[in-house]
Amino acid sequence: GAGVSQSPSNKVTEKGKDVELRCDPISGHTALYWYRQSLGQGLEFLIYFQGNSAPDKSGLPSDRFSAERTGGSVSTLTIQRTQQEDSAVYLCASSLTPQGFYEQYFGPGTRLTVT
Amino acid sequence: AQTVTQSQPEMSVQEAETVTLSCTYDTSENNYYLFWYKQPPSRQMILVIRQEAYKQQNATENRFSVNFQKAAKSFSLKISDSQLGDTAMYFCAFMADSGNTPLVFGKGTRLSVIA
Repeated sequence: GAGVSQSPSNKVTEKGKDVELRCDPISGHTALYWYRQSLGQGLEFLIYFQGNSAPDKSGLPSDRFSAERTGGSVSTLTIQRTQQEDSAVYLCASSLTPQGFYEQYFGPGTRLTVT
Repeated sequence: AQTVTQSQPEMSVQEAETVTLSCTYDTSENNYYLFWYKQPPSRQMILVIRQEAYKQQNATENRFSVNFQKAAKSFSLKISDSQLGDTAMYFCAFMADSGNTPLVFGKGTRLSVIA
């Protein structure tokens, strides 16, 4: 079946512009995660959605970052007034439920470059 | 808060040889899961192997096995009969079993398999 998809694959934007990154999780997966991978670093948690519950936003680095998940499926990560330090690969993952027993399936990521 | 440490930024191994990647973690949780993920140049994160903390037996998946030492909070990955396709970044990750928590990643080890 189809895996997690993300778009765009690559995004180059000018400093100060807003960007939207999209994630399509695996159908039926209730848990959705966004992570950020900066050059030479591991993955850093950003935000987590579970069903209809309020999202866990504890990993968002600033109020310029926001995300929503519509209808319990597609998610959009928005970065306002982008800065050069926002340049990174943004990875989305989904799992059947949030328990660790269930594997998180990752998308191919969006590489964001802020010039 | 949980932390994951991978002390080997880069490693190399000859094809067909065996290599061990190190990972230590810190947590006050008693029940949790540990993971090794592989990230080839395509950026796609792939689950290699998973270990439940309550299981004493070390997990194995074909050529991949782990040495899980709960008291020492150590979780190393052994790759036997290394293949060129094993060349990738390898990330160790932790997830508490309390649910509704994201994965916590180490910074990764870049493994190169040499012909």
